[in-house]
Amino acid sequence: GQQVMQIPQYQHVQEGEDFTTYCNSSTTLSNIQWYKQRPGGHPVFLIQLVKSGEVKKQKRLTFQFGEAKKNSSLHITATQTTDVGTYFCAGTSENQAGTALIFGKGTTLSVSS
Amino acid sequence: GAVVSQHPSRVICKSGTSVKIECRSLDFQATTMFWYRQFPKQSLMLMATSNEGSKATYEQGVEKDKFLINHASLTLSTLTVTSAHPEDSSFYICSASRPSKEFSYNSPLHFGNGTRLTVT
Repeated sequence: GQQVMQIPQYQHVQEGEDFTTYCNSSTTLSNIQWYKQRPGGHPVFLIQLVKSGEVKKQKRLTFQFGEAKKNSSLHITATQTTDVGTYFCAGTSENQAGTALIFGKGTTLSVSS
Repeated sequence: GAVVSQHPSRVICKSGTSVKIECRSLDFQATTMFWYRQFPKQSLMLMATSNEGSKATYEQGVEKDKFLINHASLTLSTLTVTSAHPEDSSFYICSASRPSKEFSYNSPLHFGNGTRLTVT
């Protein structure tokens, strides 16, 4: 079945450093979504990417969808302590659009000031 | 404010008993809700898709007789963990999509706050 892999599993950075998490799917995706889960909280939707090669920005966060629609990345510039949490990518296969999202294992980011 | 409400947030039960978890969509009708299970520091594992007015669709390896799902109305889905055992202890979280023309394919998921189940 469809698998969504995410690396790294953990990342620790100093405040101000950049951070990137990568997501790879075993199948071509119809769309990919990114979520953030703060410690003790529930996942919160960040963004959806649909088009091949799409790039979207939210302040210090840059999201990218690969040309083949099988991979994606989230890059945070100049991390802050408020960026702490686990970032999940989630998607559905192109031939299963509209079905339940499959989540990657997530990347847990810790930031020290 | 919250879009999806989940109750209870924490529950401790004895082995062999059953526990019911409720998931409500607060300001929209959800024909489909999703139930996930999350182990400590791990990802969200999709357990089942709850369909209003019909049987739930379970993921491979999830026992439908153990994890009973009922979606009797457009705003309420329940997950009942039957004959709970310590290995069922986990964080259970529901989600629903609020339909929106803004998004293609899958609308974003709104998650409940989750239920921490501890079986002693």
